[in-house]
Amino acid sequence: RKEVEQDPGPFNVPEGATVAFNCTYSNSASQSFFWYRQDCRKEPKLLMSVYSSGNEDGRFTAQLNRASQYISLLIRDSKLSDSATYLCVVTLFSGGYQKVTFGTGTKLQVIP
Amino acid sequence: NAGVTQTPKFRVLKTGQSMTLLCAQDMNHEYMYWYRQDPGMGLRLIHYSVGEGTTAKGEVPDGYNVSRLKKQNFLLGLESAAPSQTSVYFCASSSRGASTDTQYFGPGTRLTVL
Repeated sequence: RKEVEQDPGPFNVPEGATVAFNCTYSNSASQSFFWYRQDCRKEPKLLMSVYSSGNEDGRFTAQLNRASQYISLLIRDSKLSDSATYLCVVTLFSGGYQKVTFGTGTKLQVIP
Repeated sequence: NAGVTQTPKFRVLKTGQSMTLLCAQDMNHEYMYWYRQDPGMGLRLIHYSVGEGTTAKGEVPDGYNVSRLKKQNFLLGLESAAPSQTSVYFCASSSRGASTDTQYFGPGTRLTVL
């Protein structure tokens, strides 16, 4: 089983739609969680951190479910500019060692 | 403020050749990271540094060496390149560790080993 798993997609959605992605992780000791966005042939950029209480940034909402070991990203009112690959990131710092695990990404295509 | 820059942007090597990738950041960040990204694999951490003069192994360190002689620079070396090292290499930096802080990525280096 992969440490971090994402549905690769692609998710093809019309403009204005709501779309949700999930990401599951296998290490229950994981400490921090993030969503990054990566445009085609570009570098990843932080979209948002994911907190236990859930957090929202405009049209984007992130949730963490520690019991079931998954995080989610909800995008409301999708825009053409949201087309990208969304990477889930799980981190752990233990015994002086930093572990950063990226998912393979979920590709979103927003269609006019 | 350039952020994180990487040199070179593209490179083609023959098997057995060596090269060094340079990462530079102007944000005074303590932490720096080297990742590789391959299709279907996601980004994988090669080596990282928690400050000037320090380095540590990540998930896939074999075949690579790193040095952090200056706070703003993090070098990734391939002593004897292999076709399996064909990849896109990203450098990143953060003020604190990746567990607590945003990682800022460079634009990437596309390396092909023939």
